[in-house]
Amino acid sequence: GAVVSQHPSRVICKSGTSVKIECRSLDFQATTMFWYRQFPKQSLMLMATSNEGSKATYEQGVEKDKFLINHASLTLSTLTVTSAHPEDSSFYICSAMGPDTQYFGPGTRLTVL
Amino acid sequence: DAKTTQPNSMESNEEEPVHLPCNHSTISGTDYIHWYRQLPSQGPEYVIHGLTSNVNNRMASLAIAEDRKSSTLILHRATLRDAAVYYCILRGDYGGSQGNLIFGKGTKLSVKP
Repeated sequence: GAVVSQHPSRVICKSGTSVKIECRSLDFQATTMFWYRQFPKQSLMLMATSNEGSKATYEQGVEKDKFLINHASLTLSTLTVTSAHPEDSSFYICSAMGPDTQYFGPGTRLTVL
Repeated sequence: DAKTTQPNSMESNEEEPVHLPCNHSTISGTDYIHWYRQLPSQGPEYVIHGLTSNVNNRMASLAIAEDRKSSTLILHRATLRDAAVYYCILRGDYGGSQGNLIFGKGTKLSVKP
């Protein structure tokens, strides 16, 4: 199946700093990528839809100025958590639209101290 | 995307078959039935998907009711590595909408040795 990678897999940062997470589709091109967030013992919640070459579409309640998404190429989308706070600590997962379904990255565990 | 209903949890014995049910009574004619699973601290993994006919792949089988209002994911011989949360998700015509998947709570499958 198609492979999606994320980097870093785990990051710990101080409150107020910004963190960038990369999502890459390794063996296919993805016009559309998605960013999800998952809190402990909960299901995945869609944050935004990222389309190559255009602005991301954010779900209701997700601050676009806090979660900056860039989808500059057909294989790379980035999520930047700006001025991170402890409540932003979560498991962030990206996915990419493949030839027949959606494929997910392994996730990034963000801990904000 | 239409909603699905799954049992919160199920238990199985190792090397026995597992049938994971999913109800989707409001499914529309163009909704595909997707199954993903998520192991602890990992991103979701694609398992199988179908529209009307039963589907088989190396991981599992998908049995779809004739009226499409329910489906069953079948793991033919459960292993300890199959312990995960299994999500049944409906998605509209792949080429039409943006394609985001909406996750419910899924079924947590435990496998006993």
